[in-house]
Amino acid sequence: QVQLVESGGGVVQPGGSLRLSCEASGFKFSSYDMHWVRQAPGKGLEWVTFIRFDGNDKWYTDPVKGRFTVSRDNSENTLYLQMNSLSPEDTAVYYCARDHTIDYMDAWGKGTTVTVSS
Amino acid sequence: QSALTQPRSVSGSPGQSVTISCTGTSTDVGGYNYVSWYQVHPGKAPKLMIYDVTKRPSGVPDRFSGSKSGNTASLTISGLQPEDEADFYCCSYAGKYTWVFGGGTQLTVL
Repeated sequence: QVQLVESGGGVVQPGGSLRLSCEASGFKFSSYDMHWVRQAPGKGLEWVTFIRFDGNDKWYTDPVKGRFTVSRDNSENTLYLQMNSLSPEDTAVYYCARDHTIDYMDAWGKGTTVTVSS
Repeated sequence: QSALTQPRSVSGSPGQSVTISCTGTSTDVGGYNYVSWYQVHPGKAPKLMIYDVTKRPSGVPDRFSGSKSGNTASLTISGLQPEDEADFYCCSYAGKYTWVFGGGTQLTVL
């Protein structure tokens, strides 16, 4: 069955960097566009970034532009999120999600927690 | 990219119906029929409940239904069951490969 497993979360100081991974299985990863979505403590879900199936096109929400970079390795069935210049406002559970032709996200992982704190 | 507006909480007794609203603008909810709803239990992966405003994925009970009027989408849950208790989020495509979520609604089954 379709499975998405995030990893790489942890505690990092403000200004630091972290790279998240999302390992996909149970489907042809290279055929699907993918998202990262986050949820800050006590807050709602927030769309973060979207990457096309071939990795050639990427879009970001304004608060992370210039700091976060999404990428993928289709040979390893893995999605990545490189996060730089982290601030406490980036503290959240980060989910990866599979896109279904832009109209919805049809599969999600359980998330990985990122805490930015000194 | 302002978040869609949802009530913070709704509640109902088993067997009753509840409706969760999701208000956006003409550039997201009102502009596309790409509204989806997700159920989130703590510590679990979000689950797709409704897509394309009204459609239900296989495996989702027909107690869950969606609708839209203008800039407001709605999720109705009829015949409430204890296991429905969770947080619910709406999401809309907002154009130019961007998406916006609602602030979330906590459903309590009394």
